[in-house]
Amino acid sequence: QVQLQESGPGLVKPSETLSLTCNVSGGSISSPTYYWGWVRQAPGLGLEWIGSIYSSGTTYYTPSLKGRVTISADTSKKQFSLNVRSVTASDTAVYYCVRHGAMADGYGFRHWGQGTQVIVSS
Amino acid sequence: SYELTQPLSVSVSPGQTASIPCSGDRLGNKYVSWYQQKAGQSPVMVIYQDNERPSGIPERFSGSNSGNTATLTISGTQAVDEAEYYCQAWDSSNKDVVFGGGTKLTVL
Repeated sequence: QVQLQESGPGLVKPSETLSLTCNVSGGSISSPTYYWGWVRQAPGLGLEWIGSIYSSGTTYYTPSLKGRVTISADTSKKQFSLNVRSVTASDTAVYYCVRHGAMADGYGFRHWGQGTQVIVSS
Repeated sequence: SYELTQPLSVSVSPGQTASIPCSGDRLGNKYVSWYQQKAGQSPVMVIYQDNERPSGIPERFSGSNSGNTATLTISGTQAVDEAEYYCQAWDSSNKDVVFGGGTKLTVL
């Protein structure tokens, strides 16, 4: 059973870069079946997909964050990462790493990490 | 951008059937997944591909999707089902994942 664990700083200053890592156990990032992504949830609000990376290295980002977000993977370390540049208070959220199948085929977010709280504040 | 609309709240008595709708333009042409999120916990997928249950999800959870509305149905609702529920679809036009705003299910 795949397990996902987020790690990273819980506090980031405005205008800086938020960097998170997701460690994967019980599964391979190289598997052609799955995508590895990030979903966030601002305090008291709903879920927002940030983006995903496929085993080929192809990345997909939500249009509203494209240009500020980078997702990358390190298969040797069995982890993938999220960078969000030029953060503001609106980036304060719980960040979840996820594994999913092809969205167009209806395979949603089957596996979730426990989430990590990130606060953007000076 | 594509939008999914859910009611803010739904109430149901224990043992009764709860129905949570999710509406969007021609939603029936897309696949819908549903997630349950209890307070302070990560979301859990309860339905994918409109009506498929992941392993470990009780049979009382079912889904349907037609026209402009997808519906999550919980039969014989139990107190443990009290949670926030989110629908989700893939917007192929914008290559974007879309979530509904969430519905708070109260079992009373």
